[in-house]
Amino acid sequence: EAGVTQSPTHLIKTRGQQATLRCSPISGHTSVYWYQQALGLGLQFLLWYDEGEERNRGNFPPRFSGRQFPNYSSELNVNALELEDSALYLCASSPKTGGRETQYFGPGTRLLVL
Amino acid sequence: DQQVKQNSPSLSVQEGRISILNCDYTNSMFDYFLWYKKYPAEGPTFLISISSIKDKNEDGRFTVFLNKSAKHLSLHIVPSQPGDSAVYFCAASAGTYKYIFGTGTRLKVLA
Repeated sequence: EAGVTQSPTHLIKTRGQQATLRCSPISGHTSVYWYQQALGLGLQFLLWYDEGEERNRGNFPPRFSGRQFPNYSSELNVNALELEDSALYLCASSPKTGGRETQYFGPGTRLLVL
Repeated sequence: DQQVKQNSPSLSVQEGRISILNCDYTNSMFDYFLWYKKYPAEGPTFLISISSIKDKNEDGRFTVFLNKSAKHLSLHIVPSQPGDSAVYFCAASAGTYKYIFGTGTRLKVLA
């Protein structure tokens, strides 16, 4: 069974640009979560999508947004990039809405903002 | 405000000995806790979990202990193996999906 995949693996942008990160969940999983791991910090919850809807978001500004497609894959968009957006962005999926099932993580996209 | 804290950024242990990784939390509403392991260039992978109705959960070499009164959980790895060298994250949730992660502890098991 294929795991969670993310693309690209690395992304370099300059301040003010927009970044788009993509995630494909495990087959059969309907929930997708996005996390940011900045240097020296734990994983910070960003967004949760389930069945195409945004269910909740963490304490991040509106320039962090995303969507989930009918096939349950997801995109994270970061507008007006700032230097402190440089981080590892992890996507995870789980099979049920709001359950206690563990989240299965992808390898992440490392974003560098210059 | 860091609700889940892993105060030891790194830990070195001799192969065959016990590794003890600690995690403290502040939110008394947390009722489900997990440990994840992360190798470089890979996403975190689930290791073991514990519900607040229990104080211990075992899975092979891995045991998680929960002390609710102290708001403390720990992960014991016995015996430690070189392949256990990784970053370990504890995570907590209060209700459902939203996990609050600690900053991680880098474990190095020395052969």
